[in-house]
Amino acid sequence: EPEVTQTPSHQVTQMGQEVILRCVPISNHLYFYWYRQILGQKVEFLVSFYNNEISEKSEIFDDQFSVERPDGSNFTLKIRSTKLEDSAMYFCASSPGEAFFGQGTRLTVV
Amino acid sequence: EDQVTQSPEALRLQEGESSSLNCSYTVSGLRGLFWYRQDPGKGPEFLFTLYSAGEEKEKERLKATLTKKESFLHITAPKPEDSATYLCAVQEPGMNTGFQKLVFGTGTRLLVSP
Repeated sequence: EPEVTQTPSHQVTQMGQEVILRCVPISNHLYFYWYRQILGQKVEFLVSFYNNEISEKSEIFDDQFSVERPDGSNFTLKIRSTKLEDSAMYFCASSPGEAFFGQGTRLTVV
Repeated sequence: EDQVTQSPEALRLQEGESSSLNCSYTVSGLRGLFWYRQDPGKGPEFLFTLYSAGEEKEKERLKATLTKKESFLHITAPKPEDSATYLCAVQEPGMNTGFQKLVFGTGTRLLVSP
């Protein structure tokens, strides 16, 4: 069964460093998303992406964040100058309609 | 602001003991209501989509229903492997009509004991 694949599964980074989280959405899906879940809290929408551009973004998704689809298969989330409060699970999702989520990348900022 | 509230926060059942989880929502122009299952440290796993009041969907021991203000996830004769957090989410219309974002509730943690 097709699935959304995310790498790495766990990333530890120093505060102030840049990280890139990678995702391979399900092929033939056209809509892509990033969500995050801080430990013990709700899953929160960050950004949606369609036709090589951002469709919508939340208040969380400020200038520190960027997304890119560098080729036909990958979808990335870049976080510049990471802060302690960026520590969370980051989920990529793709959809034709209902969203299918990857297993997530656990980001730990120390 | 659109809200999704799930209850109870946690539920402990004996194997075979049926129960229901509740998801109430306030959203203008509901485009869809989704149920997901989430295991610890994993991503949400899609279960059901409901679009209109009166709609019902079933999958194995799970049945989801929808009214104008809430949705229920009924679990019939649960087994220990049904233990997980069940998330409810509502779909908001995005800027692109084919594109939506999900607003999640906090989930119900279900534990089914043998």
